[in-house]
Order: sequence, then C-alpha cells, then structure tokens
Amino acid sequence: EAGVVQSPRYKIIEKKQPVAFWCNPISGHNTLYWYRQNLGQGPELLIRYENEEAVDDSQLPKDRFSAERLKGVDSTLKIQPAELGDSAVYLCASSLAGSYEQYFGPGTRLTVT
Amino acid sequence: DAKTTQPNSMESNEEEPVHLPCNHSTISGTDYIHWYRQLPSQGPEYVIHGLTSNVNNRMASLAIAEDRKSSTLILHRATLRDAAVYYCICHGGSNYKLTFGKGTLLTVNP
Repeated sequence: EAGVVQSPRYKIIEKKQPVAFWCNPISGHNTLYWYRQNLGQGPELLIRYENEEAVDDSQLPKDRFSAERLKGVDSTLKIQPAELGDSAVYLCASSLAGSYEQYFGPGTRLTVT
Repeated sequence: DAKTTQPNSMESNEEEPVHLPCNHSTISGTDYIHWYRQLPSQGPEYVIHGLTSNVNNRMASLAIAEDRKSSTLILHRATLRDAAVYYCICHGGSNYKLTFGKGTLLTVNP
C-alpha cells in the first residue's frame, strides 16, 4: 500500500515569492493534516481536514497561508508571500476517521532566501 | 493535552534493550499515551499507544505506570535503524491534534 505522497521534496524560493505544497493521502483516509516542523523542534499542526471540511485551522497563519482539499482527497498548502521565517519542513499526514494513528509523508523542506 | 517530559537524548548499544522514559504527571483519565518516532529526513512514524494496560506490538512495548503519570517505551533489541527522535504524546477524547515536544534523540552505537 502506498504511503502519504508529498511533492516537491525540496523547494528554494526568494522571500515574497509564492509557494505551494501538494499532498496525496493514503487511499481511504478521510482525515488529512498539515504540520510545520522547524529545525530541532517537533511538528506543529497547521490545519486538519475531515473530508473537504477544515475542522481545525486555528494554528494556520491566515494572512499568508491557505489550504484546500477539493473532493476530499488531495490537498494543497500555499504560502503567499513567503517570509524568511517560513523556512521549515512541511509535513502532511492522514488517518482513518476516528483513529489516533496518523501516517506521515516525508515532508517538503522549504528554504526561503 | 497533558504536557510530557522526556530526556533530550539517550544512547544505547546495538542488540541491547532500550528504555525510553516519559513523564506526564497532569494526564487526564481519558488521555491516551502515544509514541511516535522520526528517523532522519523522514516524517514521524507511529510506534504504539495505550491507555492503562501495558501494550506490545511488533515494534515495541509500552509500560504504563499504575498511576499513569509516567510511561516507558521499550525497544527489546535496538538496531542501528532504531536511531531516531522518539516523541511521547498524551491526548484523547475527540481531539485528534498531536502536540509534539522536542522528544528524545536516541543514538544506537554499533
């Protein structure tokens, strides 16, 4: 069974540029999460989806970050414009409804210069 | 969610057992104890979880103190592939948000 797929794996952009990350969850997982992990820290939740609905986006910086999950499968996380402090690894995870066990993708390492 | 406290780092030798401790003195009665690990350049990976009783799976064992204020993740025979950051997380109810701390960096020596 394929795991959570993320692309790109690495991205280098200049500040003020836009960037987007894509995630394809495990088939059948209707819960999808986006996390951000700063160097030396544990991941922090940005947003959680149940199917197409964002049920917890309290930690998403809404002035520059946006996310969507059309059709309740793939998801895209966007930053516009990027700032130097956005350099981090962006992780996507998925789980079955009602399960505490989350499956993580390999992440996208973003560097903003 | 209850705050967890873990040592910053631990070392072990290959093929020896490893006991990774976690303190969670403010855990509530409905909080589960979860362990995840993160290998270098990978996303976190679920290891095990439990509520009150000790739990075993193919990866590890989880020993939970009787008062539930602490727990220990046990790797029975450490391998080099077990070198990772191990996170202990307490959460439960309808809140599926995982709150990661800094975890314990486990180094396995050959």
